[in-house]
Amino acid sequence: GQNIDQPTEMTATEGAIVQINCTYQTSGFNGLFWYQQHAGEAPTFLSYNVLDGLEEKGRFSSFLSRSKGYSYLLLKELQMKDSASYLCAVRDPNAGNNRKLIWGLGTSLAVNP
Amino acid sequence: DADVTQTPRNRITKTGKRIMLECSQTKGHDRMYWYRQDPGLGLRLIYYSFDVKDINKGEISDGYSVSRQAQAKFSLSLESAIPNQTALYFCATSDGPGAAYEQYFGPGTRLTVT
Repeated sequence: GQNIDQPTEMTATEGAIVQINCTYQTSGFNGLFWYQQHAGEAPTFLSYNVLDGLEEKGRFSSFLSRSKGYSYLLLKELQMKDSASYLCAVRDPNAGNNRKLIWGLGTSLAVNP
Repeated sequence: DADVTQTPRNRITKTGKRIMLECSQTKGHDRMYWYRQDPGLGLRLIYYSFDVKDINKGEISDGYSVSRQAQAKFSLSLESAIPNQTALYFCATSDGPGAAYEQYFGPGTRLTVT
């Protein structure tokens, strides 16, 4: 079957760097997304990876290794407002035409002062 | 104005009642989705639609129905609400068919069935 694994919870300190890992087991691959979701709010798009390597966007970077079925989201210079859940999602390879995403359960990040 | 809107934002209803959640978008996207989110269970797809004539079941469609009234409107109905349908419901849209298109989410509807 198709599966995504992420740690349930992480804590970090304001100003520090944190890495949130995501591993996926799917029968094929056509792209991986990271979303941020604050408590009670809608998920918002952070990044998309389809080729191996690092994509950088300001304080946030996302890495992909397709051979290892592995991605991570790197958050630098942590701020209190980064306390949120981070969701990893991959394209469902069994759904044609890029129809659907398979979602991880999310990693709840708490940033402490 | 928000690109994806949902009404109502909060709703409390009784077991057995019919309820409709509505979603509208101004992004001009063809693809629309309904998800529910429960603590510990993540986002689960209920239904999705790629145009007015295309409706597809997701992983948890039992007890739900949808209507795509126009490109911009996608409604979710609970024909006879039950307490385990208490959840946070999100509508989302995306462009397509390219794989890189992300989904844009509405603000959510918090539904409580008593």
